[in-house]
Amino acid sequence: QKEVEQDPGPLSVPEGAIVSLNCTYSNSAFQYFMWYRQYSRKGPELLMYTYSSGNKEDGRFTAQVDKSSKYISLFIRDSQPSDSATYLCAIRNSGNTPLVFGKGTRLSVIA
Amino acid sequence: DAGVIQSPRHEVTEMGQEVTLRCKPISGHDYLFWYRQTMMRGLELLIYFNNNVPIDDSGMPEDRFSAKMPNASFSTLKIQPSEPRDSAVYFCASRLGGIYQETQYFGPGTRLLVL
Repeated sequence: QKEVEQDPGPLSVPEGAIVSLNCTYSNSAFQYFMWYRQYSRKGPELLMYTYSSGNKEDGRFTAQVDKSSKYISLFIRDSQPSDSATYLCAIRNSGNTPLVFGKGTRLSVIA
Repeated sequence: DAGVIQSPRHEVTEMGQEVTLRCKPISGHDYLFWYRQTMMRGLELLIYFNNNVPIDDSGMPEDRFSAKMPNASFSTLKIQPSEPRDSAVYFCASRLGGIYQETQYFGPGTRLLVL
């Protein structure tokens, strides 16, 4: 079993839709949960960061962590064509350990 | 700051040739990471350095791959000899040290095609 599983999509939604992106993970020691956004032919950029369980909101984006289920989510409200990108979850445990990335979900928001 | 700089941006080479990818991390960052990204395998960590010292190279696929960081502002990833299955986008990333420094900054990547 891979440490982090993510549905690669592709996912296509109309403009204004609510988007839900998800990852599952296997290592209960993971404590830091991140979402990176990668536009075509660019490097990934950090979008959201959450420590331990709970929710975090930033504008139209909400990151949710459920450690009991080993499940993390990213919600995008009022999706825009500019949100079209690949979204990668990234997780790590404590200390200075490196990130483990999901494969990424490719999202297209159609105007 | 210019961000993480990688060169070349594109590389096309023939099987058996040596390939050298270069990276300049953000000034002052303590950690440098090399990743490889393919459709099939996603983003894979190859090796990372802390203060110019290699910490974990368990992701390096074979002895054909080697990485060095001779100083805080420069790193190379070398493939010798290259094979078609090495075709991928190679990213370099850097970040500050400290357990609350979570943001890794990625470079634009090098697209490698081995014919």
